[in-house]
Amino acid sequence: GDSVTQMEGPVTLSEEAFLTINCTYTATGYPSLFWYVQYPGEGLQLLLKATKADDKGSNKGFEATYRKETTSFHLEKGSVQVSDSAVYFCALSAYIGNLIFGKGTKLSVKP
Amino acid sequence: SQTIHQWPATLVQPVGSPLSLECTVEGTSNPNLYWYRQAAGRGLQLLFYSVGIGQISSEVPQNLSASRPQDRQFILSSKKLLLSDSGFYLCALGGDYGYTFGSGTRLTVV
Repeated sequence: GDSVTQMEGPVTLSEEAFLTINCTYTATGYPSLFWYVQYPGEGLQLLLKATKADDKGSNKGFEATYRKETTSFHLEKGSVQVSDSAVYFCALSAYIGNLIFGKGTKLSVKP
Repeated sequence: SQTIHQWPATLVQPVGSPLSLECTVEGTSNPNLYWYRQAAGRGLQLLFYSVGIGQISSEVPQNLSASRPQDRQFILSSKKLLLSDSGFYLCALGGDYGYTFGSGTRLTVV
């Protein structure tokens, strides 16, 4: 079945460091790919998305590129801030009723 | 714009008691609605989804149930809670631009 695998955390970085959170997927067909962010005590917010191969989603300095050849959707940010501390979820959706999440990666950014 | 409301924000219930969590949406009609659970230290698990009134699909067999009595209302219920039902429950609205999540209900069964 469809699945998402993302790197296990926690990830601890200093402010202004470069961030990469790896995400790979297994799916039949051509799913849409998403990154969601969950700030402490809150629900999930859509961070960015990509709907087809080679699409690049970007938002708030974060970006991820849909790589069909490597079945990956890695999240990157050039310079993280303390306010980026949160749990990040990679997800895929192949059809209605199907939004599958990775287990989440907790990011802590230290000043 | 589409908005999603979920309540209560926190809930502490004894084992064996009933449960009712409500989710309502605004700004859209005939939405696809979802219930997810996030257990401590684990990812998000899809529990139920609904594509219309009275239409419920269950992804995981358990002692929870869901109902869609109105177009914009989605309810998660249980007749008798178990300790293992503790977790963070999220309602979501599916759309072309991704899913919009409610603020969640943190349920602690004691």
